[in-house]
Amino acid sequence: EIVMTQSPATLSVSPGERATLSCRASQSVSSNLAWYQQKPGQAPRLLIYGASTRATGIPARFSGSGSGTEFTLTISSLQSEDFAVYYCQQYNNWPRPFGQGTKVEIK
Amino acid sequence: EVQLVESGGGLVQPGGSLRLSCAASGFTVSSNYMSWVRQAPGKGLEWVSVIYSGGSTYYADSVKGRFTISRDNSKNTLYLQMNSLRAEDTAVYYCARDHGYYDNPWGQGTLVTVSS
Repeated sequence: EIVMTQSPATLSVSPGERATLSCRASQSVSSNLAWYQQKPGQAPRLLIYGASTRATGIPARFSGSGSGTEFTLTISSLQSEDFAVYYCQQYNNWPRPFGQGTKVEIK
Repeated sequence: EVQLVESGGGLVQPGGSLRLSCAASGFTVSSNYMSWVRQAPGKGLEWVSVIYSGGSTYYADSVKGRFTISRDNSKNTLYLQMNSLRAEDTAVYYCARDHGYYDNPWGQGTLVTVSS
C-alpha cells in the first residue's frame, strides 16, 4: 500500500509570502496526484489534479508540480483566505490514500 | 449548478445501523463514479467506498462487510448503508464525484457519532 507523507506538518507564513508544501509517495504514482484545501468546518475543495492542473475556478496563485514520488504545491502570494489545511492524495493505485495534511497558519 | 447534499447522520450505539443519503443535482449520479469519504474528528481524510457507473462497488478494508454503497437512479441519490457500527466509524461523511480525484463541489458532510 502506498503511503503519502506531507511536510511540514505546520507552515507559518506571513500574508503575501510564498508557501511551498511537499508531498512524497512511498512509490511512484506517476502524475496521478491531487491537492485539496480544507478550512475549519468546511468540506475539502479540490485545487489541483494530474499533479499540475488547476481545478475549475482555482486562482492562478496555486500551482502544482512534480511526478513520480515527489510533489509540490506552491501558493505564490498567500491571501487571508488561503490559511487552511492542505491534503495531497494519490489515485494511481488502490487504495487511494491521502496525506496527513499540512496546516498553513498565519505567522 | 452541481450540488451534493448529504443527510442521515446522527448518534447511534455501537453495533447499530444508519443509512446515509447524498442527493445530487446538476448531474446524473448513475453516469458517474461516486465515492464516500470520511473524516474522523480532528483527523485526516479517508476514502470509504466507491460505486462505478457500471454498478461495481469497492470498499476500504476498514468497512468491508459492514457498509454497502448503492444508488437510486430515479431519485438521483447515492446511499451508504452502515451496519455493525463501531466507535472508530465516528466521522463526518462526505460524498463526491470520483475521477480518481474527488471533484468539486463536495457535499457539506453529515456527522455520524457512534457512542453508547
